[in-house]
Amino acid sequence: GENVEQHPSTLSVQEGDSAVIKCTYSDSASNYFPWYKQELGKRPQLIIDIRSNVGEKKDQRIAVTLNKTAKHFSLHITETQPEDSAVYFCAASNVRTGNQFYFGTGTSLTVIP
Amino acid sequence: DTAVSQTPKYLVTQMGNDKSIKCEQNLGHDTMYWYKQDSKKFLKIMFSYNNKELIINETVPNRFSPKSPDKAHLNLHINSLELGDSAVYFCASSQEMELGEQYFGPGTRLTVT
Repeated sequence: GENVEQHPSTLSVQEGDSAVIKCTYSDSASNYFPWYKQELGKRPQLIIDIRSNVGEKKDQRIAVTLNKTAKHFSLHITETQPEDSAVYFCAASNVRTGNQFYFGTGTSLTVIP
Repeated sequence: DTAVSQTPKYLVTQMGNDKSIKCEQNLGHDTMYWYKQDSKKFLKIMFSYNNKELIINETVPNRFSPKSPDKAHLNLHINSLELGDSAVYFCASSQEMELGEQYFGPGTRLTVT
């Protein structure tokens, strides 16, 4: 089955700096890669996603890049703000496997004011 | 107009008891899931279910069983609860054919004493 690895497990940045979180996946058939943000005590919520036919996607301060050859994808947050502090999860999915989502182990991001 | 709801929000029970967590989605999605999030925040898939098949994570003890009375509900039954079952359990749903995002419920914090 799919195996998703995520790094780093914790990340601290100064407010205004950029944050980058990286994930790798093992199944070359995976074709959908969402990123979820989970604030303390709340449910995971989708913040951005990318499909395998696209190399990059951007939404305001958040961007995701995908390298299918290397089987890795990254989340980029620019101009970080304290409210970006949360746990971020990457995931990989393939409709062939019944749409199961395989999550990374999470990155706890702290933005220091 | 809650998309995915779970009850109860908190559940405290003793070892050996049997308990259930209910999940309902009003999004018309085809696939529903149960995840376990432990104290280290790892999100681990337990089950995914649509009207065609149930996919079980092989690491899930058979004390856990999902029950789906209809397409909008996927309840989680747990028999003979153990201390290690203490965690937050999230229900989620997605539209299988559209390969879209998963919508998570608010979570149920289970504490086994």
